[in-house]
Amino acid sequence: DADVTQTPRNRITKTGKRIMLECSQTKGHDRMYWYRQDPGLGLRLIYYSFDVKDINKGEISDGYSVSRQAQAKFSLSLESAIPNQTALYFCATSDSYSSSYNEQFFGPGTRLTVL
Amino acid sequence: AQSVTQLDSQVPVFEEAPVELRCNYSSSVSVYLFWYVQYPNQGLQLLLKYLSGSTLVKGINGFEAEFNKSQTSFHLRKPSVHISDTAEYFCAVVTGGGNKLTFGTGTQLKVEL
Repeated sequence: DADVTQTPRNRITKTGKRIMLECSQTKGHDRMYWYRQDPGLGLRLIYYSFDVKDINKGEISDGYSVSRQAQAKFSLSLESAIPNQTALYFCATSDSYSSSYNEQFFGPGTRLTVL
Repeated sequence: AQSVTQLDSQVPVFEEAPVELRCNYSSSVSVYLFWYVQYPNQGLQLLLKYLSGSTLVKGINGFEAEFNKSQTSFHLRKPSVHISDTAEYFCAVVTGGGNKLTFGTGTQLKVEL
């Protein structure tokens, strides 16, 4: 969905480096999410934010941190990247004011490789 | 805790044949159910959703799914598939009052000539 953008789209880095993945949305949604996708495991929730001052851990938050700089921006950081954080990362948004507030809209993904 | 099971990791099918991708969920409360599709090298796109009302839900690209509360299932079907349907399909659930999607592990649909 072009309304949710992620940068970079691809990134190769080395173990121990700090990495930031960025997500921006023009949908005006209040809720934002970060997932990682691994083959055979589906998507797992890392962090989610219901508004600028609300940040919550998902099921696999260890080794990650997030920042909600504005309603439209939600960044994911890997403070010290390790190889098992190699994955496809997705940002998503949803609108709590919508009648289908549980529907999430996904960005195109960031493929991260940690060597 | 809610969970989603997609029983088939891969489903090969010939073009123009029917297909069913299976999804079962575990929840004792009301649920909202979704099917997403991920085409190669792309993000996830919503195929269809069940929030309430009719148990037969129609989505994009000729797909449909039926919510079966007694079987706790939400299987995805298409009567005649096309090569362009080759993709990975994810079932997801939110329980009533909840805020988070729980995804299944995905089913890779491969349509062959």
